[in-house]
Amino acid sequence: QKEVEQNSGPLSVPEGAIASLNCTYSDRGSQSFFWYRQYSGKSPELIMSIYSNGDKEDGRFTAQLNKASQYVSLLIRDSQPSDSATYLCAVIGISSGSARQLTFGSGTQLTVLP
Amino acid sequence: KAGVTQTPRYLIKTRGQQVTLSCSPISGHRSVSWYQQTPGQGLQFLFEYFSETQRNKGNFPGRFSGRQFSNSRSEMNVSTLELGDSALYLCASSFTLTGELFFGEGSRLTVL
Repeated sequence: QKEVEQNSGPLSVPEGAIASLNCTYSDRGSQSFFWYRQYSGKSPELIMSIYSNGDKEDGRFTAQLNKASQYVSLLIRDSQPSDSATYLCAVIGISSGSARQLTFGSGTQLTVLP
Repeated sequence: KAGVTQTPRYLIKTRGQQVTLSCSPISGHRSVSWYQQTPGQGLQFLFEYFSETQRNKGNFPGRFSGRQFSNSRSEMNVSTLELGDSALYLCASSFTLTGELFFGEGSRLTVL
């Protein structure tokens, strides 16, 4: 079982719709969760971090965390073609050496259709 | 504020050679992490340094090594290159040991 799992997509949504990206993680002791966006040919950039159960909103982006279900999601409201990118879920868990390690999912490719 | 700078951006090596990649973090950032990104495996964690100490290491063979200098700049080295080492190597810095990373543009290594 992968430590951080994402649906690889591709996920296509029309412009103006809500895009929903999902991520599950295996380490129940994980405390910190992040969403990164990576445009084609570019490096990842942090767009959201969430540490507590519930929702966290930042502009058109909402991160949702449910630790009991080991599930974190990212909602993008009013999707724009410029949101087309790969979205990476990342989780800080406990590595085999008991040191915190940031583990990335394989990413979900999102395409927003004009 | 300057971002994370990685050099070289592109390089081509042959099997058996070694390579050294350099990373200059954002000013004031003391943590530097290295990742390998390939289409098949995604982003794989290599190692993390904080104040010149390796704090964590991923599941890579000993051919992959790194270090951090007193000015927080970091280098990683890959010895005895294999074809499978062809990848984008990303360096990321952060102020402390958190997951809020700022990535450089990467060094794209091709091994022939």
